[in-house]
Amino acid sequence: DAKTTQPNSMESNEEEPVHLPCNHSTISGTDYIHWYRQLPSQGPEYVIHGLTSNVNNRMASLAIAEDRKSSTLILHRATLRDAAVYYCILRDVRDDKIIFGKGTRLHILP
Amino acid sequence: KAGVTQTPRYLIKTRGQQVTLSCSPISGHRSVSWYQQTPGQGLQFLFEYFSETQRNKGNFPGRFSGRQFSNSRSEMNVSTLELGDSALYLCASSFVPGQGAVQETQYFGPGTRLLVL
Repeated sequence: DAKTTQPNSMESNEEEPVHLPCNHSTISGTDYIHWYRQLPSQGPEYVIHGLTSNVNNRMASLAIAEDRKSSTLILHRATLRDAAVYYCILRDVRDDKIIFGKGTRLHILP
Repeated sequence: KAGVTQTPRYLIKTRGQQVTLSCSPISGHRSVSWYQQTPGQGLQFLFEYFSETQRNKGNFPGRFSGRQFSNSRSEMNVSTLELGDSALYLCASSFVPGQGAVQETQYFGPGTRLLVL
């Protein structure tokens, strides 16, 4: 069973920042927080991951709450190409499989 | 570096038949995982192979099986197809530093879309 909770869908305007929330109240000390996204007609692609500290890469930023029970994926300047389903996933460092939830469908308005 | 490739991209079968799907991982990746994606159930983990051994398995019936070859290429097989097996089957590969080590980011292929009539 998925251990994360995300809104079903969100909308944002093009060229504005987007904050995608994720709740994971049962996170354990060995769980990493991963984000993947799936563009239309494509397989999922890795976005970012973190353990405790906030993380930045060329695609996005990941803000992790101090108690690690929630996190937020931040797209700094959304484009139409960012329209996708975004999955927040907890991945135990000792486990290999990824358990996907329903994700958040992000719509970008021009 | 070439990405994960899956063949065929589209497939139509009838109930009772069997099907074999193929996945070629990114060069140097030794772990291959398979997922099933349907509108109702979303993305579900099928199994994972590393060094020709099944290392992890999801909750699917025995009709679903897989294997991995010495060059890390993987195949999955579904026997006695049912209508509910219609789905997008995704393969993902990742680099694993060594036996027992935690794998890194998974890279997904475009998937094989299977339609069972």
